Amino acid sequence: DAGVIQSPRHEVTEMGQEVTLRCKPISGHNSLFWYRQTMMRGLELLIYFNNNVPIDDSGMPEDRFSAKMPNASFSTLKIQPSEPRDSAVYFCASSPLGQGSYEQYFGPGTRLTVT
Amino acid sequence: AQSVTQLDSQVPVFEEAPVELRCNYSSSVSVYLFWYVQYPNQGLQLLLKYLSGSTLVKGINGFEAEFNKSQTSFHLRKPSVHISDTAEYFCAVRTPYGGATNKLIFGTGTLLAVQP
Repeated sequence: DAGVIQSPRHEVTEMGQEVTLRCKPISGHNSLFWYRQTMMRGLELLIYFNNNVPIDDSGMPEDRFSAKMPNASFSTLKIQPSEPRDSAVYFCASSPLGQGSYEQYFGPGTRLTVT
Repeated sequence: AQSVTQLDSQVPVFEEAPVELRCNYSSSVSVYLFWYVQYPNQGLQLLLKYLSGSTLVKGINGFEAEFNKSQTSFHLRKPSVHISDTAEYFCAVRTPYGGATNKLIFGTGTLLAVQP
């Protein structure tokens, strides 16, 4: 049974470039969460979707960040333009919604380095 | 709104010694509580959860936690740790309600450093 899949696992890019991170949630899960983890700020929730609809994007740092979920099996987090302070590990997590199981299942993360 | 406090950012302990990682929460409504573990260079995985019923919950890898409503705590314990338990541990809380408010509120994490 495949877990949450994220790609790429590592991304190195130059400041000003566009970065797209991808996530495939566990099949049947209808909530999807994007997190960012840094030493300085810890684990931060950026945005989450229920049934492909963004519910809370209050954690998105600024307009350079955008997230989409075009269907139940795919989501993207885009940073344009990227800056060195965006360097972090980005996690995607998924969860069943309203089905009695409330934990989130995390992917392995994408380590982003912006130089 | 809910919040979670993990007062200890790092807990050093010798192998085979017992350990307790502290978690306190704040909420005006009932809550569900979780402990996650993050091994180096990996994502978070669920250790255990409290939804209802017995206040003592057992999880994977010999860990257990006790829900104490009067003290608003959910401390994690293990009677004898191994080197392999070295990891970051996160406490999290959410409301029991479904719908839009299904996000987890995470604490800042506690690094458990097991020494030989």
